[in-house]
Amino acid sequence: GDSVTQMEGPVTLSEEAFLTINCTYTATGYPSLFWYVQYPGEGLQLLLKATKADDKGSNKGFEATYRKETTSFHLEKGSVQVSDSAVYFCALSDSEGNNRLAFGKGNQVVVIP
Amino acid sequence: KAGVTQTPRYLIKTRGQQVTLSCSPISGHRSVSWYQQTPGQGLQFLFEYFSETQRNKGNFPGRFSGRQFSNSRSEMNVSTLELGDSALYLCASSQGQTNTEAFFGQGTRLTVV
Repeated sequence: GDSVTQMEGPVTLSEEAFLTINCTYTATGYPSLFWYVQYPGEGLQLLLKATKADDKGSNKGFEATYRKETTSFHLEKGSVQVSDSAVYFCALSDSEGNNRLAFGKGNQVVVIP
Repeated sequence: KAGVTQTPRYLIKTRGQQVTLSCSPISGHRSVSWYQQTPGQGLQFLFEYFSETQRNKGNFPGRFSGRQFSNSRSEMNVSTLELGDSALYLCASSQGQTNTEAFFGQGTRLTVV
C-alpha cells in the first residue's frame, strides 16, 4: 500500500539555521502530498501541500516541492526560529480517491536560541 | 468558523471496559476520519465516514468501530479495552469527497490502566 518514509531521529539546530527534513513516498497513483505540524498537546495543523508533480507548497517560510522522479517531498526553511520547535509529519493522500492519509513517523525539531 | 471539536480531551479507563469518543466536524464538512497516534506506531488510520457511510477502514481489530450521524458528527467506540489501546485519538474533518484538506481536532488522550 501507499507509504511515507521520513528520516530517522530528532533534529536539533540553532536559531536562524537552515532546516531540511527528508520525506520520500511510495504510491501506486498520483497522490497529493502534505506536511503537517504538531505542537505539544495539540492536534495536527496543515503546514503546506502540493497536489501534482513539480508543484511547490509554501507557508510561513517553509517550502516543499513535489518531485515525482525521486518520489520525494522534502521540507525546507531558510532560517528557523525557536517557535518552529514542533513535530513535523509528511503525509500523502490515498490514491483511491478518498480522504485517507498515510503519515510518516514524524520528526521532532528542536530550535535552540 | 469553529474548528473540529473532540470530547472528552482526556479519559482514563480500566482494561475490559468500553469507551466512546466524540467528534464534531467543521460546519459543512461531510467527511470525518479517525487516527490513532502512539509513540511506537505513529499515526495510523482507523476509518473514514462520508455522509454516514464508512468508506475506508484501517487495519484494526473489530473492537474498534465508529459511526456518523446525519449532522456529520461522528463517534468511535472501542470495546474490551486493552493496555495497548492507550493513545491519542485524532479526528479530522474534510469538506469534499476526495483528497481534500483535512482539519484536525486536538484529540482525545485515552489511558487504559
